[in-house]
Amino acid sequence: DTAVSQTPKYLVTQMGNDKSIKCEQNLGHDTMYWYKQDSKKFLKIMFSYNNKELIINETVPNRFSPKSPDKAHLNLHINSLELGDSAVYFCASSHTGTAPYEQYFGPGTRLTVT
Amino acid sequence: EDKVVQSPLSLVVHEGDTVTLNCSYEVTNFRSLLWYKQEKKAPTFLFMLTSSGIEKKSGRLSSILDKKELSSILNITATQTGDSAIYLCAVPARLGGGADGLTFGKGTHLIIQP
Repeated sequence: DTAVSQTPKYLVTQMGNDKSIKCEQNLGHDTMYWYKQDSKKFLKIMFSYNNKELIINETVPNRFSPKSPDKAHLNLHINSLELGDSAVYFCASSHTGTAPYEQYFGPGTRLTVT
Repeated sequence: EDKVVQSPLSLVVHEGDTVTLNCSYEVTNFRSLLWYKQEKKAPTFLFMLTSSGIEKKSGRLSSILDKKELSSILNITATQTGDSAIYLCAVPARLGGGADGLTFGKGTHLIIQP
């Protein structure tokens, strides 16, 4: 009964490669997010998708591209990986509307670029 | 730009002690403030405080929002070793219509010694 799931949990790859991380939620939420947590444990929003539309696009390199085939999935594709991309990437989801809603996080994907 | 500052950044106490964690925020349009607990993996949701719900309590944990002082506290009474974690404070940052990404503080790393 996993609410927000991510695959893979760990990803080790070399610089210059292209990789994807997948995220799925079964909570019926209409918005999904990607966050990056660096080595100092600082969590930062990267993207959010609402009804298949990109709502927030923070100042991340355009090597990162989110893709949402439907409301329950949000994948993150990264081109030409760099050492500085090493981090834990968390997917999250929530409802949206006039009232504020809490976000629920997936277990994270630890990406190591060598 | 929305900003969240947490203090202290780390705290070591003994089992049974009571702790108070602090969070201050600067947001353009306040809607809510959220507290999360992060152990080894995903941040797990604790509380959401809003203008209509400025106090929340769950077991030994409680939180209060002070809108005048633009701050919140998280209290944990009778601490247990299982409370050891990073506690994160966040506010929604709405940059466009629809979805809110969360702006997080750097967290308080709480260690409970037996």
